[in-house]
Amino acid sequence: GEDVEQSLFLSVREGDSSVINCTYTDSSSTYLYWYKQEPGAGLQLLTYIFSNMDMKQDQRLTVLLNKKDKHLSLRIADTQTGDSAIYFCAESNDYKLSFGAGTTVTVRA
Amino acid sequence: EAGVTQFPSHSVIEKGQTVTLRCDPISGHDNLYWYRRVMGKEIKFLLHFVKESKQDESGMPNNRFLAERTGGTYSTLKVQPAELEDSGVYFCASSQESGRNTIYFGEGSWLTVV
Repeated sequence: GEDVEQSLFLSVREGDSSVINCTYTDSSSTYLYWYKQEPGAGLQLLTYIFSNMDMKQDQRLTVLLNKKDKHLSLRIADTQTGDSAIYFCAESNDYKLSFGAGTTVTVRA
Repeated sequence: EAGVTQFPSHSVIEKGQTVTLRCDPISGHDNLYWYRRVMGKEIKFLLHFVKESKQDESGMPNNRFLAERTGGTYSTLKVQPAELEDSGVYFCASSQESGRNTIYFGEGSWLTVV
């Protein structure tokens, strides 16, 4: 919890962009991840970024990393109802993942 | 290819009872991990197996929790006796290599202790 922090809730209108923010404390983090958990389902790896990268884009998803500020964000373009879920930020420098508490994203029509 | 499978998906037990959760990793994955999320909190690491050996069990809450991975295939996580604060979702994950990005999670075992 204290290692990775993210806001708990985000409400966004369908078609708009969503931006989920995350901060972490471990400067030795090697990988940073975004996982998605839909209601009643498991954790799905959405995307990840290596610590020496600033940005990664994958279709509607854009990950931005500011290593100096230890800030990670996930932008979802053209948010759809199927994007409603809990999004977890996580970091690791070896085998162990440290997760945030998750941001619940609600997409409204 | 089958993913990480967990059983049971949901379990409701009384305080003081015993529950055993099972995880079948992806075939060929030597690394197996257990994580837990209690209601509304972050997902926390419990332990890491490489084959049948426990590499790191620093996240195990107390001695009421016992994890095993006999033969280096599936793993079990036993909670005995269960307490109310053990309620949560227990996730299992596996990977071919440790310290890499390809960690696959199961759907979780949702445990409620009443």
